[in-house]
Amino acid sequence: NAGVTQTPKFQVLKTGQSMTLQCAQDMNHNSMYWYRQDPGMGLRLIYYSASEGTTDKGEVPNGYNVSRLNKREFSLRLESAAPSQTSVYFCASSEARGAQPQHFGDGTRLSIL
Amino acid sequence: AQTVTQSQPEMSVQEAETVTLSCTYDTSESNYYLFWYKQPPSRQMILVIRQEAYKQQNATENRFSVNFQKAAKSFSLKISDSQLGDTAMYFCAFMKHGGGADGLTFGKGTHLIIQP
Repeated sequence: NAGVTQTPKFQVLKTGQSMTLQCAQDMNHNSMYWYRQDPGMGLRLIYYSASEGTTDKGEVPNGYNVSRLNKREFSLRLESAAPSQTSVYFCASSEARGAQPQHFGDGTRLSIL
Repeated sequence: AQTVTQSQPEMSVQEAETVTLSCTYDTSESNYYLFWYKQPPSRQMILVIRQEAYKQQNATENRFSVNFQKAAKSFSLKISDSQLGDTAMYFCAFMKHGGGADGLTFGKGTHLIIQP
């Protein structure tokens, strides 16, 4: 009963380093999402993928790239990490667009020094 | 674009009391969905309740219910018989019909503390 699995759970990077956050879901969902959560803020959408091979920018895409490797996996890459990207990152998936609720992973706490 | 506003950064009530969390939103969409998510200290995002905008009947899930006022663009969450385990951040969220790149738009959250 894994649901949405994110790795790693914690990571510390130095400014300029690169990093890929991994996300996998076992619910056969078509749609997958990456959000970031900053202190005092709700979650904000970084990127979205409706299906394998498609990705769309969300509210805050700058500094990130994504890959929808297959139906299960959706990765988020920071090419050159900046302190402003210190945040908690959540991956989510849903059955289809619209009313179906999104299921979230447990988050990755990322600190950029 | 839509916005979601939660005007209560923090609330504190005694165990077993009823508490209402406020949420207002702004959108030009006529068809959309609204959600309340709970985030305990464990950081998980847990769906509490959802409402389809085309349904006039307010959603209910056990001790949780909503007061959905479409004309006023208001979507409050009522928690009855509050329990210590209800202590968490609560986020109101909006999704337009068809989802798409907008995904979920979240409010900034209300920190709810249930006192023993």
